[in-house]
Amino acid sequence: DTGVSQDPRHKITKRGQNVTFRCDPISEHNRLYWYRQTLGQGPEFLTYFQNEAQLEKSRLLSDRFSAERPKGSFSTLEIQRTEQGDSAMYLCASSSDITNYGYTFGSGTRLTVV
Amino acid sequence: AQKITQTQPGMFVQEKEAVTLDCTYDTSDQSYGLFWYKQPSSGEMIFLIYQGSYDEQNATEGRYSLNFQKARKSANLVISASQLGDSAMYFCAMRGPPIKAAGNKLTFGGGTRVLVKP
Repeated sequence: DTGVSQDPRHKITKRGQNVTFRCDPISEHNRLYWYRQTLGQGPEFLTYFQNEAQLEKSRLLSDRFSAERPKGSFSTLEIQRTEQGDSAMYLCASSSDITNYGYTFGSGTRLTVV
Repeated sequence: AQKITQTQPGMFVQEKEAVTLDCTYDTSDQSYGLFWYKQPSSGEMIFLIYQGSYDEQNATEGRYSLNFQKARKSANLVISASQLGDSAMYFCAMRGPPIKAAGNKLTFGGGTRVLVKP
């Protein structure tokens, strides 16, 4: 297993367009998290899955954002009608409920809305 | 609610010297975990060190050590013998009790940028 994979690494989109990001976690990990990181800031929690169940969503996750994790494997994060304020790094992380500290992050998807 | 505060936005350190990065936290939970991550310019978050709230000894991992002062709610990172490759953003983070669903997410501080000078 090569770790957490995120695709694409970079995405430039025009305002108003929809975008979708993918995250493939470590195969043994049943927990998956999405974070958003704006320039010069720490990551902010967006949402969390345990297996296929979405257990928590931040209020940062507006109605334009939706995340899925079908079959408890990979996850997608979709942003509809993108705005310039959505420009950020979107980080995915995974962990196992066997350990309390083994969070592994992907390299992120950098979104630029023009 | 959990909160992490990193008061040092940026620091210079001379190569081969030690540097301490400050982190204070706030939580009402008795069980929690504290983390430090390194984020180089490439963007990936690299795990450095972990301290559980019930761990009696300070965590160490190679050149990294965590100075855990529970009463003061601080979890400072010490990097010994700094190397040029240590130049990066450093984030302190915490999670709550794992028995709660909300306890599994990480809450991050704003980060400290470290620049190691040769």
